[in-house]
Amino acid sequence: DVKVTQSSRYLVKRTGEKVFLECVQDMDHENMFWYRQDPGLGLRLIYFSYDVKMKEKGDIPEGYSVSREKKERFSLILESASTNQTSMYLCASSLSDRPIYGYTFGSGTRLTVV
Amino acid sequence: GEDVEQSLFLSVREGDSSVINCTYTDSSSTYLYWYKQEPGAGLQLLTYIFSNMDMKQDQRLTVLLNKKDKHLSLRIADTQTGDSAIYFCAESMGANAGKSTFGDGTTLTVKP
Repeated sequence: DVKVTQSSRYLVKRTGEKVFLECVQDMDHENMFWYRQDPGLGLRLIYFSYDVKMKEKGDIPEGYSVSREKKERFSLILESASTNQTSMYLCASSLSDRPIYGYTFGSGTRLTVV
Repeated sequence: GEDVEQSLFLSVREGDSSVINCTYTDSSSTYLYWYKQEPGAGLQLLTYIFSNMDMKQDQRLTVLLNKKDKHLSLRIADTQTGDSAIYFCAESMGANAGKSTFGDGTTLTVKP
């Protein structure tokens, strides 16, 4: 079964810490995405990548960066965590030439910044 | 830019049909999707429809697309308590499924 794995289900970090959220997919997908999900705000795209070492800003990139050194791994970095980054973070991947399969999502990481 | 809108909540009784509606603004949308999110989980693709189709049926699910009005709906027949979840509508353009635009999700509550 195809899978997107997010390294942590729950995470608690202190304000000002540098936080790494890891996402790994085993489907050889070209595209990978990071979203955050907040009540009443739906899914908001933070960053995405269409290929190794490529990255594109989404709708809310401020305070975040990403790294894609290998095709299967897409990391989201919170440079200096703040309380307004407390959220559910969802990673997703997709094939670039098979749109009928849509996105495959990970189970999410619920991050709390205190 | 692209925008996808859904009503936020829907409540139905077990055994009834549920209809979740979605409108989108981008007429060049090629694929439209419905995803389901159960509590504490990521989103799971339920079904998709290509923009040159009017309807698609898959067991209890029926997707209707009115391209003229840019309106998409998901009908769940014989709704069960296990169907309680958040349902997201999404669109993408072209052959690359990159950067789909998602609606805010409709929370479906099924009462016994």
